[in-house]
Amino acid sequence: SQTIHQWPATLVQPVGSPLSLECTVEGTSNPNLYWYRQAAGRGLQLLFYSIGIDQISSEVPQNLSASRPQDRQFILSSKKLLLSDSGFYLCAWSRVINTEAFFGQGTRLTVV
Amino acid sequence: KNEVEQSPQNLTAQEGEFITINCSYSVGISALHWLQQHPGGGIVSLFMLSSGKKKHGRLIATINIQEKHSSLHITASHPRDSAVYICATLSGGGADGLTFGKGTHLIIQP
Repeated sequence: SQTIHQWPATLVQPVGSPLSLECTVEGTSNPNLYWYRQAAGRGLQLLFYSIGIDQISSEVPQNLSASRPQDRQFILSSKKLLLSDSGFYLCAWSRVINTEAFFGQGTRLTVV
Repeated sequence: KNEVEQSPQNLTAQEGEFITINCSYSVGISALHWLQQHPGGGIVSLFMLSSGKKKHGRLIATINIQEKHSSLHITASHPRDSAVYICATLSGGGADGLTFGKGTHLIIQP
């Protein structure tokens, strides 16, 4: 069966520090991968999606970047965090044909 | 771009009540998800549907494609149903991700 792992679950980082959130998928190959963010009081918003290794599309200009060094690994990064980067970050995957999405447990990031 | 609206934003009910959460969207979609988010933040997919009606235990989801509207019903509600319920739509081929509603915060009181 397929599983998705996302870590860490919570993170408190100072302004200006770097960020690396990791997401891995098991039990499937060539998944579509997604990073979403939920800011306080707002709905989830798509940040990045990837249809293959090193193929990243960005939906919203921001202080963040994403990379996919391996087929089932998706990393969300920042060189210097801003206060506005605080929020709940969610990784998800889906198959190309079957549109059902599967979600990680999420990371609650607080930038202080 | 699709806009997804949910109502109500907050709902408090007594245990045993029948619950309805509504979702409307603005453009044609290929599928709609109902998701459940617990206080810790973890999200579980409850349903994915593109037409008609699906039932799983005490949960029922319906969608009307012509009216661009979906509802999530909970029968015989229980305090453990307390969570945020999120509607999310999928357009096109699916590679560009989901568009989410802001969620409905449901509290079921014993």
